[in-house]
Amino acid sequence: QQQVKQSPQSLIVQKGGISIINCAYENTAFDYFPWYQQFPGKGPALLIAIRPDVSEKKEGRFTISFNKSAKQFSLHIMDSQPGDSATYFCAASMDYGGSQGNLIFGKGTKLSVKP
Amino acid sequence: DVKVTQSSRYLVKRTGEKVFLECVQDMDHENMFWYRQDPGLGLRLIYFSYDVKMKEKGDIPEGYSVSREKKERFSLILESASTNQTSMYLCASSLRAVRSNQPQHFGDGTRLSIL
Repeated sequence: QQQVKQSPQSLIVQKGGISIINCAYENTAFDYFPWYQQFPGKGPALLIAIRPDVSEKKEGRFTISFNKSAKQFSLHIMDSQPGDSATYFCAASMDYGGSQGNLIFGKGTKLSVKP
Repeated sequence: DVKVTQSSRYLVKRTGEKVFLECVQDMDHENMFWYRQDPGLGLRLIYFSYDVKMKEKGDIPEGYSVSREKKERFSLILESASTNQTSMYLCASSLRAVRSNQPQHFGDGTRLSIL
């Protein structure tokens, strides 16, 4: 119940295309869903995050879509660019009073955007 | 900007050695975390700490211990290194808050090889 399942494991997209990465969870107590972006040789960095009280959040070319009833959320990268080539991790966490803010991570998606 | 610094980018040690990985953060964060990252397995939590001298086991604590004597520093210790501990190790920190939406800030990792 603590797992976050992420797919696909790898993704190749042409420049200008849409990249879509999907995640699913079981634990309905999760209430914070961030996405992290990791470039080679670097640590992951927060990209965008959503809470389940909204169904969509957009920041520039990056959009999170959230389906609470299906317990699924996804990252859409519009007009994908070679500079977006990285590994993307979805994650989930929950409030539990004095939270330590622990994140449960998906296994990651390696995105390659071809010029 | 938050900075999480891991003392070594690359480390090579021998089987049976006691290994210390050091992590320092400069933003007065209460929470600190150690993860290991392996291809296809994502980020797995080893230990975390939400206060000085406090520590909690994560998902894969076996073979590891931690030390947090000062708020800014969190050390990961491999008591007797084994080849299956060859991995990328990532340290992270975050603010402690009532709600879980505090981003974790990662260092750039230590790639540890055990021969």
